[in-house]
Amino acid sequence: DIQMTQSPSSLSASVGDRVTITCQASQDISNYLNWYQQKPGKAPKLLIYDASNLETGVPSRFSGSGSGTDFTFTISSLQPEDIATYYCQQYDNLTFGQGTKLEIK
Amino acid sequence: QITLKESGPTLVKPTQTLTLTCTFSGFSLSTSGVGVGWIRQPPGKALEWLALIYWDDDKRYSPSLKSRLTITKDTSKNQVVLTMTNMDPVDTATYYCAHTIGYCSGGSCYAPFDYWGQGTLVTVSS
Repeated sequence: DIQMTQSPSSLSASVGDRVTITCQASQDISNYLNWYQQKPGKAPKLLIYDASNLETGVPSRFSGSGSGTDFTFTISSLQPEDIATYYCQQYDNLTFGQGTKLEIK
Repeated sequence: QITLKESGPTLVKPTQTLTLTCTFSGFSLSTSGVGVGWIRQPPGKALEWLALIYWDDDKRYSPSLKSRLTITKDTSKNQVVLTMTNMDPVDTATYYCAHTIGYCSGGSCYAPFDYWGQGTLVTVSS
């Protein structure tokens, strides 16, 4: 099985900051990686699919990059409404990462 | 407009079988490439994918839970049903169903979940 390592597990940043979250796969997964946002008490929301494709309607401050084993999710300018937990997901057994809880400093 | 909604018991006893129903609208499970998956989330913990069924009745299960899970679809009713046997307190979680368009090849499934239900909390306790 392919293992996903997501980091950091939590992150505190200020409004306007650039925020980066990473996911590392134990094997080459090409670009088969998605990113989700989950706000407290809500269902997850797909933000990025196939590593770098922005889902329709998602603000352009969100972006994804990477291929192979190393992937990055970026918020270019953190907004108060971005406070949430973020998960990566890969296509081998549809495994999710452990999540990154993002808080405002 | 695609919507999904989970329904089922909120409380089950250990060793019992859980049956959850996902009722959806805005798409058909007879359309090529369409699938519905189940994902759960224990309180305060990460998401865990459970099962997935595609339009052509291709079914996939989490390897760690495969022996306990069954997923079926009723296209005429726009429903997908998940059963999980031998429930244990560690299975206490919010259970979500979600829509995807994709396919499976070998052990991997191209399945970004783009629409989700609101989730239903299932507690396992005697």
